[in-house]
Amino acid sequence: DAGVIQSPRHEVTEMGQEVTLRCKPISGHNSLFWYRQTMMRGLELLIYFNNNVPIDDSGMPEDRFSAKMPNASFSTLKIQPSEPRDSAVYFCASSWDRSSYEQYFGPGTRLTVT
Amino acid sequence: KQEVTQIPAALSVPEGENLVLNCSFTDSAIYNLQWFRQDPGKGLTSLLLIQSSQREQTSGRLNASLDKSSGRSTLYIAASQPGDSATYLCAVLTQGGSEKLVFGKGTKLTVNP
Repeated sequence: DAGVIQSPRHEVTEMGQEVTLRCKPISGHNSLFWYRQTMMRGLELLIYFNNNVPIDDSGMPEDRFSAKMPNASFSTLKIQPSEPRDSAVYFCASSWDRSSYEQYFGPGTRLTVT
Repeated sequence: KQEVTQIPAALSVPEGENLVLNCSFTDSAIYNLQWFRQDPGKGLTSLLLIQSSQREQTSGRLNASLDKSSGRSTLYIAASQPGDSATYLCAVLTQGGSEKLVFGKGTKLTVNP
């Protein structure tokens, strides 16, 4: 299996622009997670889906952030409009094991907003 | 609210040394605890997962222990090697049905040849 796939790997954009990050979970996994990692705050959960349904979005910082999961093999995280403080590494993870809930992480997208 | 703390934030050791990384959590009602490794510019790799009913897990030179009542876990690395240099993250899954992992900020380990 190719693992969790994220694109793009790097994104540089100007303040005010829309940014869309993409994730393909491991085939057969039914939970998908979006995390953000910064030096100051560490790794934080933004939102997670189970069977394509958003379960917990309490970590989404504000209305500028939105996430969708239209099907079991694809999810997007959108920031509109982007701000310099959104600069971070965004990770996607997926899981399927209902006993251990072990999560498998993608390589991340490094976002820089200038 | 669950909080996870890792001490020290950074650690530098000579090759061959045995070392211990520490993780503490505030809410002992956990479902499991995971240790991850993160290399620079890369994602997270799961090293060990300890269920709440377990006391320890071992994989090769790594041993993770869990003391749920005191809210502590340790990751023991035996005979450290330069290739062990990375950031090690601890994360807990709290009981209650949520799949939300709460992470510590990690310990950056450097093993010097």
